[in-house]
Amino acid sequence: QKEVEQNSGPLSVPEGAIASLNCTYSDRGSQSFFWYRQYSGKSPELIMFIYSNGDKEDGRFTAQLNKASQYVSLLIRDSQPSDSATYLCAVKGGQNFVFGPGTRLSVLP
Amino acid sequence: EAGVTQFPSHSVIEKGQTVTLRCDPISGHDNLYWYRRVMGKEIKFLLHFVKESKQDESGMPNNRFLAERTGGTYSTLKVQPAELEDSGVYFCASSLVGTGRSYTFGSGTRLTVV
Repeated sequence: QKEVEQNSGPLSVPEGAIASLNCTYSDRGSQSFFWYRQYSGKSPELIMFIYSNGDKEDGRFTAQLNKASQYVSLLIRDSQPSDSATYLCAVKGGQNFVFGPGTRLSVLP
Repeated sequence: EAGVTQFPSHSVIEKGQTVTLRCDPISGHDNLYWYRRVMGKEIKFLLHFVKESKQDESGMPNNRFLAERTGGTYSTLKVQPAELEDSGVYFCASSLVGTGRSYTFGSGTRLTVV
């Protein structure tokens, strides 16, 4: 059974702080890793994807991947109240995603 | 470019009734996927079409669920008869190729079985 685990939260951070979201996965054969943001009642929207070990930065977002530890994280710098949402970690080994349960992030003004 | 469209956005039906969900993918996307999220659980894969063919239906929970994609355009997911545990949000996604970065999700259909 392929699994992706995340802390469900809620994770509360003050505005302007760094939010750190973590995800572990069980399938060592996983090839690609994605972070989606989902606002309540809306569709998941892709924030970042990462394929290789190390860090990948895009604006205020940094994804970090460590395949040896089967761990992927998302850092959000200068967090804004508009970042408050559920963040889904998704792992792709073949054609389909295996999603984690999501972490609810609340950025407090 | 129009996104992935799902209809209806909400559906409330009684146990034992039939419901049909529809997904219109982005034009030209050969790959179409169905996922669902039941209350308190993670989003789970149901099945994958490439054009009109079912590529992978390993996630379909049981034979009360029937998915079709006639002509390789829009897809329907029928639940017959619906049970209480079928309640949740059903998402459709499409992609031009199989890479995850090209996935686009629809806004989902919230199904409530009472």
